[in-house]
Amino acid sequence: AQKVTQAQTEISVVEKEDVTLDCVYETRDTTYYLFWYKQPPSGELVFLIRRNSFDEQNEISGRYSWNFQKSTSSFNFTITASQVVDSAVYFCALSEARGYSTLTFGKGTMLLVSP
Amino acid sequence: SQTIHQWPATLVQPVGSPLSLECTVEGTSNPNLYWYRQAAGRGLQLLFYSVGIGQISSEVPQNLSASRPQDRQFILSSKKLLLSDSGFYLCASAQGLAGVNEQFFGPGTRLTVL
Repeated sequence: AQKVTQAQTEISVVEKEDVTLDCVYETRDTTYYLFWYKQPPSGELVFLIRRNSFDEQNEISGRYSWNFQKSTSSFNFTITASQVVDSAVYFCALSEARGYSTLTFGKGTMLLVSP
Repeated sequence: SQTIHQWPATLVQPVGSPLSLECTVEGTSNPNLYWYRQAAGRGLQLLFYSVGIGQISSEVPQNLSASRPQDRQFILSSKKLLLSDSGFYLCASAQGLAGVNEQFFGPGTRLTVL
């Protein structure tokens, strides 16, 4: 069975600080996909990134970056120079890419960025 | 890109009353559709998913049911609501295999059962 652990329940930072959200996953499959979603106070989940298990290259998109390490089964998310608008709950998710597989979500990390 | 509509946005219902939440998708065809529930403002629990009209898979046994009468319409129902059914219900759509492609989410319905 697959599992996603986000050990950080809540993180509070001051604007312009860098912050890293941790994600550790468990799966028996060699082919799988990892995702990050953002849930702002409005409630709607916003897709941020998808990585497949064969691509361990780190990715940067503006202030966002992702560090995928298969050796430690981690897919961490870093926000550089955080802003108040980054305040949200962030979810890491995993899917084993076979059949009609579904997403397994972590419990989420609430990020509070204060001015 | 696809757009997902959900209604109503909020709903307050008494225990024992029926429920019908609707989800419609625009901008795609033959999507895989999903119903999630988020209780206590946090974790997402997959309730149902559908890979086609009339095809429903249930992930968690409960007093809820789902139906897919049309390709881009997904309905969540209950004959008698329980207090524990309160939560935030999210509909999602994905193209192709769920594991390969990201899911897009609707704005959600906040249900309070009193």
